[in-house]
Amino acid sequence: SQQGEEDPQALSIQEGENATMNCSYKTSINNLQWYRQNSGRGLVHLILIRSNEREKHSGRLRVTLDTSKKSSSLLITASRAADTASYFCATDARAGNMLTFGGGTRLMVKP
Amino acid sequence: SAVISQKPSRDICQRGTSLTIQCQVDSQVTMMFWYRQQPGQSLTLIATANQGSEATYESGFVIDKFPISRPNLTFSTLTVSNMSPEDSSIYLCSVQLGKLAKNIQYFGAGTRLSVL
Repeated sequence: SQQGEEDPQALSIQEGENATMNCSYKTSINNLQWYRQNSGRGLVHLILIRSNEREKHSGRLRVTLDTSKKSSSLLITASRAADTASYFCATDARAGNMLTFGGGTRLMVKP
Repeated sequence: SAVISQKPSRDICQRGTSLTIQCQVDSQVTMMFWYRQQPGQSLTLIATANQGSEATYESGFVIDKFPISRPNLTFSTLTVSNMSPEDSSIYLCSVQLGKLAKNIQYFGAGTRLSVL
């Protein structure tokens, strides 16, 4: 079964609004990452948050991590049409540096 | 970071045939991975491609169906053998750059495979 489960599965917002996506996982982790995938292409790494961090920022992205609840959220502020993509969380609970990806959130930002 | 060239970008194949997907990296990397992404789904790890040794396959994936080669530290191939329509997916290769890079992965653009 997947380590990460994301919600919502799909999200549609207007340009300028904020988008929040959530990820839950099951076992202890060293870090959690978020990736973006445009229209069935390769994934692009967005941000990594370590298990001892609670919040991290990168440009318009804000990631939080709550290890007590085994959950993370990705906030995209002031969204743009170009943010339309699928977003995946990934955890490193497995040995050997392998990642386990969540189910993904499909974000659509309408101009 | 790493630049990964994956080809072909897409293909349409007949049932029973095989397709080999190539993944070329612009630097030497130890760890390379192959994933399958079925339509509308997340990524599922097929195998870890190890240079100089056999690939390590995940549960549900076998070498006869998905043979992998890793002849050097910059190149790998994945073959999808004896294809059926159920093999229609996006296949992705990725790499990790080593311990200092934590376990961030860099992905190729993917191969979109349709099997008729």
